[in-house]
Amino acid sequence: DAGVIQSPRHEVTEMGQEVTLRCKPISGHNSLFWYRQTMMRGLELLIYFNNNVPIDDSGMPEDRFSAKMPNASFSTLKIQPSEPRDSAVYFCASSYDRVYGYTFGSGTRLTVV
Amino acid sequence: KNEVEQSPQNLTAQEGEFITINCSYSVGISALHWLQQHPGGGIVSLFMLSSGKKKHGRLIATINIQEKHSSLHITASHPRDSAVYICAVSASGSARQLTFGSGTQLTVLP
Repeated sequence: DAGVIQSPRHEVTEMGQEVTLRCKPISGHNSLFWYRQTMMRGLELLIYFNNNVPIDDSGMPEDRFSAKMPNASFSTLKIQPSEPRDSAVYFCASSYDRVYGYTFGSGTRLTVV
Repeated sequence: KNEVEQSPQNLTAQEGEFITINCSYSVGISALHWLQQHPGGGIVSLFMLSSGKKKHGRLIATINIQEKHSSLHITASHPRDSAVYICAVSASGSARQLTFGSGTQLTVLP
């Protein structure tokens, strides 16, 4: 298995633009997580899905952020409009229930200028 | 108070030294995770444990559920062990998401 695949690896965009981050979880995993990492706040959960259904989106900063999981093999995190304070590394992770641990993607480094 | 506290924040060691990183948590958990992140790199899961001890190569992780405390040990440390080590917990109940400590920056000097 190729692991959790995220794209793009790096994204530089101008303030106000729409940004879409993509994630392909490991086949067979039934939970998918979006985390954000910043120097100030470390790693924080944004949202997680179980069996493609959003379970907890309390970490989504505001209405500018939205996430979807249309099927078991794909998820997107969208920011519209983007702001400089959204600059961070966004990680996607997947797992099969809690007992089997987590696998993280390589992350997307987002810079909003 | 953070739910997950790590110590130390920064650690510098000489190659070959035995290293210990500590993690304390304040909530009931279903599992505790130790993660490794190299500079500019992704996050790798080292251990997931809910009791006792696990060993993988030169890495050993222990957990004491009663004391809500875990340690990550590295024996015969090597410069390639230099990374940020992150403790994370998944709370008891139905929650699957992780709550993270702030990480320990480890530098091993040759």
